[in-house]
Amino acid sequence: DAGVTQSPTHLIKTRGQQVTLRCSPKSGHDTVSWYQQALGQGPQFIFQYYEEEERQRGNFPDRFSGHQFPNYSSELNVNALLLGDSALYLCASSLGTGGFGANVLTFGAGSRLTVL
Amino acid sequence: QQQVKQSPQSLIVQKGGIPIINCAYENTAFDYFPWYQQFPGKGPALLIAIRPDVSEKKEGRFTISFNKSAKQFSLHIMDSQPGDSATYFCAASIIKPGGGKLIFGQGTELSVKP
Repeated sequence: DAGVTQSPTHLIKTRGQQVTLRCSPKSGHDTVSWYQQALGQGPQFIFQYYEEEERQRGNFPDRFSGHQFPNYSSELNVNALLLGDSALYLCASSLGTGGFGANVLTFGAGSRLTVL
Repeated sequence: QQQVKQSPQSLIVQKGGIPIINCAYENTAFDYFPWYQQFPGKGPALLIAIRPDVSEKKEGRFTISFNKSAKQFSLHIMDSQPGDSATYFCAASIIKPGGGKLIFGQGTELSVKP
């Protein structure tokens, strides 16, 4: 049973560029959340997608946007990259929203973004 | 009020010791408190979780103690092993409405020496 898969695993960009990260949720899950984990810090919630709509958003600027597809997979887009965007971007999947299952998150291994 | 404060930042114990990691929160609306374990190069993995209606929960060698009045909870690892060396994160969330937004602590890097 495949868990959460993310791609790419590593990537390097320069300031001002744009990046797209991809995520496939665990089989049976329909909700995808994205987290940013800076080095030595805990993950920070970016946003959550359910039924192809953004349902919740953390304290991140509009440069961060996302999308969910009918097969529940998701993309995270970051525009106008800053040095401070360098981090591990984690995708987590869960079941539904507003219930206990929504809080039981399965994380992928992440995409390590370096901005030079 | 949305913060979860975790301590210590790092912890070194001998094999067989009982490391204890503590977390404190402010938002009394939080009603779900999971602990995650993260190995280098991997994503966090759910270890154990507790709801505020119980004061303790055990799963194998891992125990959560929960003090609702003090707004604190802690993770104890019994008979710790070198394979437990990892970074541990506490977290908190509100199950309803719009669940799934976890607020994480800053993490504790645990090293268990053989």
